[in-house]
Amino acid sequence: KAGVTQTPRYLIKTRGQQVTLSCSPISGHRSVSWYQQTPGQGLQFLFEYFSETQRNKGNFPGRFSGRQFSNSRSEMNVSTLELGDSALYLCASSFTGVEAFFGQGTRLTVV
Amino acid sequence: ILNVEQSPQSLHVQEGDSTNFTCSFPSSNFYALHWYRWETAKSPEALFVMTLNGDEKKKGRISATLNTKEGYSYLYIKGSQPEDSATYLCAPYNNDMRFGAGTRLTVKP
Repeated sequence: KAGVTQTPRYLIKTRGQQVTLSCSPISGHRSVSWYQQTPGQGLQFLFEYFSETQRNKGNFPGRFSGRQFSNSRSEMNVSTLELGDSALYLCASSFTGVEAFFGQGTRLTVV
Repeated sequence: ILNVEQSPQSLHVQEGDSTNFTCSFPSSNFYALHWYRWETAKSPEALFVMTLNGDEKKKGRISATLNTKEGYSYLYIKGSQPEDSATYLCAPYNNDMRFGAGTRLTVKP
């Protein structure tokens, strides 16, 4: 059974640009959550999608958005990138919404 | 929004030592608690999902207990090995999963 796949694994962007990250969940999982980890911080919850609908949202500015497609794949978009957006972005998929399986993350560097 | 605290932030032990760390969380509206192990350059890996007050789970040398009334969980590692070196994260689940900052464990050979 394939795990959670995140692409790309590494990304370098310039301040002011926008970026889209992708997450393909485990087959059959309908819930996808996104997290941000910055140095010295724990995993900060961004949002969760379930069956193409955003079910929960963390405390992030509106520059952070996401969506989920009918095949449960999810994308996260960050517009007008700031230096502080440099982080590891993890997605996690779940069948029930309770037990989650993580991808290896996308390391975003904003310069 | 749940306020999750983990202590200590980091821990250095010798191979063979037993160790434990704490996860504290608000006890109201509790649904489940997760423990994850996160090794460098890998994905966080689920260790336990616990739901009931008094729950105790065990996987090899690692075990965890849960007290939902007072809002804490303990993770124990018996006879630590260098391969146990990782960050251990707890995450209460209440509509979504919110993580503590983790305890970084280093086991020296």
